[in-house]
Parts: sequence; structure tokens; C-alpha cells
Amino acid sequence: DAKTTQPTSMDCAEGRAANLPCNHSTISGNEYVYWYRQIHSQGPQYIIHGLKNNETNEMASLIITEDRKSSTLILPHATLRDTAVYYCIVRVEVGGSEKLVFGKGTKLTVNP
Amino acid sequence: AAGVIQSPRHLIKEKRETATLKCYPIPRHDTVYWYQQGPGQDPQFLISFYEKMQSDKGSIPDRFSAQQFSDYHSELNMSSLELGDSALYFCASSGTGGRVTDTQYFGPGTRLTVL
Repeated sequence: DAKTTQPTSMDCAEGRAANLPCNHSTISGNEYVYWYRQIHSQGPQYIIHGLKNNETNEMASLIITEDRKSSTLILPHATLRDTAVYYCIVRVEVGGSEKLVFGKGTKLTVNP
Repeated sequence: AAGVIQSPRHLIKEKRETATLKCYPIPRHDTVYWYQQGPGQDPQFLISFYEKMQSDKGSIPDRFSAQQFSDYHSELNMSSLELGDSALYFCASSGTGGRVTDTQYFGPGTRLTVL
């Protein structure tokens, strides 16, 4: 079963920041938080992941609370092409062969 | 950068037929994963291989089998197809091929339709 809870849907205005929350209250010390997104029936696309510290890359920022029980994915300037289902996944990173367990995700709609 | 390649992209089969889906991982990736996504559903893990050995198994029907070959490509074989097998099938790969280590990168998927 998925170990995360996300809102079912969210809306965001184009050009504004999109902040997608995720609860993972049962996360273990060796589990990472991963974010993927899926744009209409395409393959899931890796966005970012982190363990404890906040992370930033060219796509997004990941803010993880100090107790690691929740996190927020931030898309700083959302565009229409960011409309997708966003999945927050908790995963143990042991040698790289750990499967991904997808939950329901958040359907983000970016409006013009 | 090279991505995961899946073939075919679309496949239409009749009930009780067989199907073979192929996956070519990102160069130098040694781990392959298969996921199934039914209509309106979220992706579900089927099976994975690391260095040509099965590393994990999910809710994969006994009618399905898979393997990873010496060149690291993988094939998912599906027999006695049922209407409920109609879905998107995604392959993902991970390894140390120059990207974020051990992160899974997904292919575009194969859409299987069983009539």
C-alpha cells in the first residue's frame, strides 16, 4: 500500500507557484521522498527526490519538514504543460532495485 | 540523452492470444521494472530484474512471464490474454548510467488492447 496521502486535485494559475503537499507520517529513517508526474497516459516522469534536506533542480523544489512527516513540491512558475498527475512516493533506496508504489496522486490543473 | 525505449507502442490482440512487450533500458542501466496501468488506475508494479536475475515480484499473473537478457533489454510475455489485461504497460530502468543514480526512468509505454 502507498505510504503517502495527497489531495485529490489542485488548481493553479499559469505563471504562479504550484505548491503540492504530501503527508508521509509513517516514513522511516532510511526512506526517501520521490516525486513523479504523469502527463496524460505518458510514462511517469521523475521530478526530484530527497531524504532530509530541501532539494532543488531545474524542474522543482522539494521542501521536507524537519520531522520528515510531510513534504511540499514547488513548481515555481507553473505553465500549462505542468498539468499532470503528481505522485509523491516513499521509497527505500537500497541498491536501486526497490519498486515504486504509486498512490492516487494529485491531479494538478494549471489554468490560463 | 537516451531514454527508455519500448516496443511496440500499440498492440491489439484477441482474447486467448499471446503478446510480447519489449523494453530497452537507458545505456548502462542494469535494473529493469515493469508496471501495469489499467484505465483510470495508477501504475502497479509487476516485476523487476537486476543483472538479469529477478529481483522483485508484484501482482503479476501466472500467465505473464518476463526476463532480462545479456544486453539488459527485457521482455514481458503475456499468454492467454484476457479483456482485463487491456492496459498501459510501462518499463522503467535504473542504474548508474550518468543520471541520478538508482532513480527509475520510465519509457513511453505500450498500450495493449485485448478484444
